[in-house]
Amino acid sequence: QQQVKQSPQSLIVQKGGISIINCAYENTAFDYFPWYQQFPGKGPALLIAIRPDVSEKKEGRFTISFNKSAKQFSLHIMDSQPGDSATYFCAASKAGGSEKLVFGKGTKLTVNP
Amino acid sequence: DVKVTQSSRYLVKRTGEKVFLECVQDMDHENMFWYRQDPGLGLRLIYFSYDVKMKEKGDIPEGYSVSREKKERFSLILESASTNQTSMYLCASNILGQPFHFGPGTRLTVT
Repeated sequence: QQQVKQSPQSLIVQKGGISIINCAYENTAFDYFPWYQQFPGKGPALLIAIRPDVSEKKEGRFTISFNKSAKQFSLHIMDSQPGDSATYFCAASKAGGSEKLVFGKGTKLTVNP
Repeated sequence: DVKVTQSSRYLVKRTGEKVFLECVQDMDHENMFWYRQDPGLGLRLIYFSYDVKMKEKGDIPEGYSVSREKKERFSLILESASTNQTSMYLCASNILGQPFHFGPGTRLTVT
């Protein structure tokens, strides 16, 4: 069973636009929700992460919104740039991130100039 | 900076061969993980280890085994490679409560 569902599978946005990627989870024991960014030929790298005690976390142009009751969280990329073109993965873990990460299937983001 | 290195970036093996993928981290992390990445399927956990000589099965362990004789090194073994094991293999490590750090990946092709 898929514990973390991610959508959309692919996303095309114009430069300057807002990119939104959504994830939903099932296991209420999850308490750590990171987003990873992966460029071609590279391993995933942590972009931003949130814990369920807050509803939003912002780092520069990247924001995670978290809805505990709906068991959903999303990544918003403001003022999207061509350099943001990458594959984005949401993930979830228990024990504050100490346990294994369960990943969504990924979203390939293309930002057109 | 944490560095996770993987022994090969690209590997081509024949069906039935025994394949070793090596991963080394340089930050004394207790936890190490092997994932495989396939288009449309995301990252799926094969095996992980919370300490030397300890190992636990992930979601898709069939056809794989692992070895962790030293804290910094975690090896993934394909006992008899098959074409359905053609994939990108990613190693990661972390320490309690800290982010995962991934290696660059090994793209394995089994012919």
